[in-house]
Amino acid sequence: GNSVTQMEGPVTLSEEAFLTINCTYTATGYPSLFWYVQYPGEGLQLLLKATKADDKGSNKGFEATYRKETTSFHLEKGSVQVSDSAVYFCALMKTSYDKVIFGPGTSLSVIP
Amino acid sequence: GAVVSQHPSWVICKSGTSVKIECRSLDFQATTMFWYRQFPKQSLMLMATSNEGSKATYEQGVEKDKFLINHASLTLSTLTVTSAHPEDSSFYICSARVRGLAGVGEQYFGPGTRLTVT
Repeated sequence: GNSVTQMEGPVTLSEEAFLTINCTYTATGYPSLFWYVQYPGEGLQLLLKATKADDKGSNKGFEATYRKETTSFHLEKGSVQVSDSAVYFCALMKTSYDKVIFGPGTSLSVIP
Repeated sequence: GAVVSQHPSWVICKSGTSVKIECRSLDFQATTMFWYRQFPKQSLMLMATSNEGSKATYEQGVEKDKFLINHASLTLSTLTVTSAHPEDSSFYICSARVRGLAGVGEQYFGPGTRLTVT
């Protein structure tokens, strides 16, 4: 079946460090891929998305590239801030009418 | 952007009582709404998919008689937890899919409702 795997957290970084959160997926065809962010006590916000192979999604300094050959969608940011502390979920959706399948989430703490 | 609200944001109820959670799409029409449950430090678990004007589709293992879902209009879906027990305590999140949006059927998430059953 379809599934999403993420690197286990928690991840702790110093401010201005480089961030990578690995995400790989299992699905047939070409699903759409997403990164969602959840700040403490809040719901989910869409961070970025990519709908086809080699697409790069980007937002607020975060980037992720849809790699079909490695079935990956790793999240990166060049310089993290304390305000980036949150839980990050990688997700996929097979078609526009399908449900979203979430990874387990990766908790990120950025310390000053 | 598209905004989804939930009410209440948190609720405490006694064991055996029922509680209703509302999910509203504020500035768009949603043909489909989804209800998720999230345990502490865990991912979201899809409970059910709700289409306006029809019965909800529940995921395997979710008790449809315990978690009643109604999607009476294109902007409102409700989740009622009936005869709540402490094990039902959780964070409940809804999402709404934008109606008629070409391309990816993006979902917008509500802020969540924290339910505590004592």
